[in-house]
Amino acid sequence: GQSLEQPSEVTAVEGAIVQINCTYQTSGFYGLSWYQQHDGGAPTFLSYNALDGLEETGRFSSFLSRSDSYGYLLLQELQMKDSASYFCAVRDGSDSNYQLIWGAGTKLIIKP
Amino acid sequence: DGGITQSPKYLFRKEGQNVTLSCEQNLNHDAMYWYRQDPGQGLRLIYYSQIVNDFQKGDIAEGYSVSREKKESFPLTVTSAQKNPTAFYLCASSLTGGTDQQYFGPGTRLTVT
Repeated sequence: GQSLEQPSEVTAVEGAIVQINCTYQTSGFYGLSWYQQHDGGAPTFLSYNALDGLEETGRFSSFLSRSDSYGYLLLQELQMKDSASYFCAVRDGSDSNYQLIWGAGTKLIIKP
Repeated sequence: DGGITQSPKYLFRKEGQNVTLSCEQNLNHDAMYWYRQDPGQGLRLIYYSQIVNDFQKGDIAEGYSVSREKKESFPLTVTSAQKNPTAFYLCASSLTGGTDQQYFGPGTRLTVT
């Protein structure tokens, strides 16, 4: 079957660094995306990795290792507004329909 | 401003009634999607459309129906056949069906009693 695994909850302190991991098992792979969702809100796109390595966008970075079927989202200089759920999603093109398969989300709790 | 709109934000219905959720986008995107999100869960794909007048079932299409008569619009009908319709419904669009970045509307929270 196809699945994505990420921790259900992570706690960190304001100003610190936190890493949210995602491992995936899919029949096809075209890239790993990360989305942020605040409570009651809509998901917003954060990053996309199609190739191995680190992509940096401001305080957020995302990493992919295709050989390990693994990626992570790194958040630096945490701010209270970063308290949200973070979802990894894999594009599976094995059936040519290119659907996104979503993880269950990681709730990030930030303490002052 | 370009974006996706969903209406209404909150919707209450009695069991046995069909209800239609609206989704409109002015981003000129070809692909549109409907997801369902239950508390503490990820997103599950209901239906998607890569082009006007064409749509495919997602993982949980039973009890739902859609239409795509215009590029801008992708309404979702929750029928009385859907056994647990109470959920948060999210509409999204992307430039094409093979594009990873999806843009989401604000969602409709449906409660059926």
